Amino acid sequence: DGGITQSPKYLFRKEGQNVTLSCEQNLNHDAMYWYRQDPGQGLRLIYYSQIVNDFQKGDIAEGYSVSREKKESFPLTVTSAQKNPTAFYLCASSVAGNSPLHFGNGTRLTVT
Amino acid sequence: DAKTTQPNSMESNEEEPVHLPCNHSTISGTDYIHWYRQLPSQGPEYVIHGLTSNVNNRMASLAIAEDRKSSTLILHRATLRDAAVYYCILRDVGGTSYGKLTFGQGTILTVHP
Repeated sequence: DGGITQSPKYLFRKEGQNVTLSCEQNLNHDAMYWYRQDPGQGLRLIYYSQIVNDFQKGDIAEGYSVSREKKESFPLTVTSAQKNPTAFYLCASSVAGNSPLHFGNGTRLTVT
Repeated sequence: DAKTTQPNSMESNEEEPVHLPCNHSTISGTDYIHWYRQLPSQGPEYVIHGLTSNVNNRMASLAIAEDRKSSTLILHRATLRDAAVYYCILRDVGGTSYGKLTFGQGTILTVHP
């Protein structure tokens, strides 16, 4: 089945450590996105990429980094510079234009 | 980005129709109206989208006002599996906001058996 796989589902880290969240898609979509969701809130865009080797900052990119070396993969690194990293992270993909976004089931990151 | 306004919560009984409203008075000509829904601890799921005309698919119907300043998502017969947070979002395909879906807090729909 085609879809988006985010791993792991739950992730625990100590403060001051960088952590990388995985996102893989087999939908052959050009565009990929990372969103962050805090309890009771809507989603906020961190980074997005329209094509391989290109990506743009979203609304809350500070403290995060991404890479897009392959069409299928768009990993997100939460760096120690991110002041409040504990959140639910969602990856999505789409074909170009106005097409719907397909979301993964998220990674819940807890930093203590 | 144009914003949307939705009620915080709504309730329905199973097998009854549900009308979820959304106001978007500052909508621009290139904004599409998208609806997504999200179950707890899951990613959002696409429901439907439209520009000017009413739209139907297997999940729901979307009724868009003539002036496009409001829209209504219609679930024809609510089931317990329809209980979720529903997000109404404007997506501008004409500018530099490619992919920039801006999610508000959405409407929490509760379905009673």
